[in-house]
This record gives sequence, structure tokens and C-alpha cells, in this order.
Amino acid sequence: DAGVTQSPTHLIKTRGQQVTLRCSPKSGHDTVSWYQQALGQGPQFIFQYYEEEERQRGNFPDRFSGHQFPNYSSELNVNALLLGDSALYLCASSPGPQEGDTQYFGPGTRLTVL
Amino acid sequence: AQSVTQLGSHVSVSEGALVLLRCNYSSSVPPYLFWYVQYPNQGLQLLLKYTSAATLVKGINGFEAEFKKSETSFHLTKPSAHMSDAAEYFCAVSGSGGSYIPTFGRGTSLIVHP
Repeated sequence: DAGVTQSPTHLIKTRGQQVTLRCSPKSGHDTVSWYQQALGQGPQFIFQYYEEEERQRGNFPDRFSGHQFPNYSSELNVNALLLGDSALYLCASSPGPQEGDTQYFGPGTRLTVL
Repeated sequence: AQSVTQLGSHVSVSEGALVLLRCNYSSSVPPYLFWYVQYPNQGLQLLLKYTSAATLVKGINGFEAEFKKSETSFHLTKPSAHMSDAAEYFCAVSGSGGSYIPTFGRGTSLIVHP
């Protein structure tokens, strides 16, 4: 049973560019959440997708957008990249957007903005 | 609002010694509490989860945590540290205000000396 997978593993971009990160949830999971983890910090919630809709959103600007596909996989898009967007981006899946559901994390995508 | 405070950004122990990582939470309702471990350049792995079934929760790799409502604490312990336990540990809380999204602490880096 494959766990949560993310691609690419690493990415280097320059300021002002756009980036797309991809995530496939664990088998049987239909809810995907995205987190940003800056160096030395805990993960910060970006948004959550369920039934192809954004259900909840954290305190991130509109430059951060996402999408969920019918097969439950998801993309995170970041426009007009800033140096401060450099971080590890984590995708997590869960069996549903229920209270207390355990989130299972992927290995992350390391984004470096130069 | 919910929040988590992890006391000590770094904890250093000798191999074979007791591991104690501290976590205090703030939540307006009985919470769900989690401990995750993150090894270098990897995503987060669930160690254990509190769901009110029992105050002492046993997890993987010999770790356990005790929920103490009166102290609003959920400290993580392991009787005997192994070198392989060296990693970053995150405490998280969810369930407050109808939010399904866990709020993470800033993490504690566990250093194990031979």
C-alpha cells in the first residue's frame, strides 16, 4: 500500500516565477491538506481539499492556490514567488475531513527560491 | 483558538537514558493530540494520538504520552533512548472551534549522545 507521494522532491526557482507541486494521497483517503514548513519551524497549514473543493484555508495569500482532481490527487500552485516562499511543502492525506482524523504526511517537496 | 507550546527547542540525552519531551496545549474543548517525528529530509510520521479513550497512550518505537487535563499537558516519554531516536519531534492539537486542522508546535530536536 503506497503512502502519500509528492513530486518533485526538490525544486529551484527564481523570484517572480510560478511553481506547481503535486501530491497523491494514501490509498483510501479522499482529503488532502497542504502545509508549509520553514526551516526550524513546525508545519503551517495552507489549505485543505475535499470533494474537489477547498474546505479550509490558513493564513496564506491568494498567490497560493490549489486543486483536487477526481482521483483525489492534488496540486499546490504558488505564483509570483518570493524569497520567503523557500520551504519544505508537505502534503498530508486523511480518510475524511472529520474531527480528529489522523493526517498522513508525504516526504515533502523542498522549494528554494533564489 | 488552539495552540501548542513545546518547551525546549533542543533536548540532549545519552543513549539508554530517559527521554522526556514536553508539550502544553491550549484548547477550548477536549482536544485531539498528536506526536509526530520527522527524520532529516523526510516528512512527518505519526508516533501516537490521543482521542480520550485512555489518558496514557502508547505509540510506535517504544514512545508513550500521558494526557493530563489539569496541567493541559501531553508530554512524550521513552524509557531508554536509542541513537536512532535522534530526530525532530512535533506535538499537535486539533478539534477546537470545529477545526479539523491540527496546529503544530515549533518542534523539539532530540539529540542522542553515545
